[in-house]
Amino acid sequence: AAGVIQSPRHLIKEKRETATLKCYPIPRHDTVYWYQQGPGQDPQFLISFYEKMQSDKGSIPDRFSAQQFSDYHSELNMSSLELGDSALYFCASSWTSGSINIQYFGAGTRLSVL
Amino acid sequence: QKEVEQDPGPLSVPEGAIVSLNCTYSNSAFQYFMWYRQYSRKGPELLMYTYSSGNKEDGRFTAQVDKSSKYISLFIRDSQPSDSATYLCAISGLNAGGTSYGKLTFGQGTILTVHP
Repeated sequence: AAGVIQSPRHLIKEKRETATLKCYPIPRHDTVYWYQQGPGQDPQFLISFYEKMQSDKGSIPDRFSAQQFSDYHSELNMSSLELGDSALYFCASSWTSGSINIQYFGAGTRLSVL
Repeated sequence: QKEVEQDPGPLSVPEGAIVSLNCTYSNSAFQYFMWYRQYSRKGPELLMYTYSSGNKEDGRFTAQVDKSSKYISLFIRDSQPSDSATYLCAISGLNAGGTSYGKLTFGQGTILTVHP
């Protein structure tokens, strides 16, 4: 079965650079979520999109922005990168039918800021 | 105080043991309860989900929810070395607009090691 696809798997950037992470949800899933997981920490919710509109927002820095496109893939744009942005970034998708919300995660993008 | 607290472990058990993993939560608005398994450097993998108090069984795994105590558990029977991973409880509630169930709030995770 198709899963959530994230690219790239690994990304190395310098401080103050920008990064773009991509997420391709499971086909027919209408909601995408982004999470950040620091070393030894649990995933923290950043932002979500339902039918290409932002549906919820968590602890996402102003330096980050995201959007969902017409084909439902999503991109997380990160600017003015800081050392503390080094983390695993996960995308999850779900088919939000009624109130059911089962989220399936991608393998993640490991971002290292040097 | 975190909205979801998970017994941090780590846990180390012999093969065949019964494992108990536990979380408590503070927000009674939470409606959906999930357990994810995460292998090192991989994405969380959904193990079980439930939305009502009681037990739900799937093979060697049993998820238990007690909404009155705000307490959830995952039991693993006949544990195997391949069960060695980090286990994360995750809870979902209504989004800020009250229009849909949105973000997951995770516990801190419990690292489980099952020895052959």
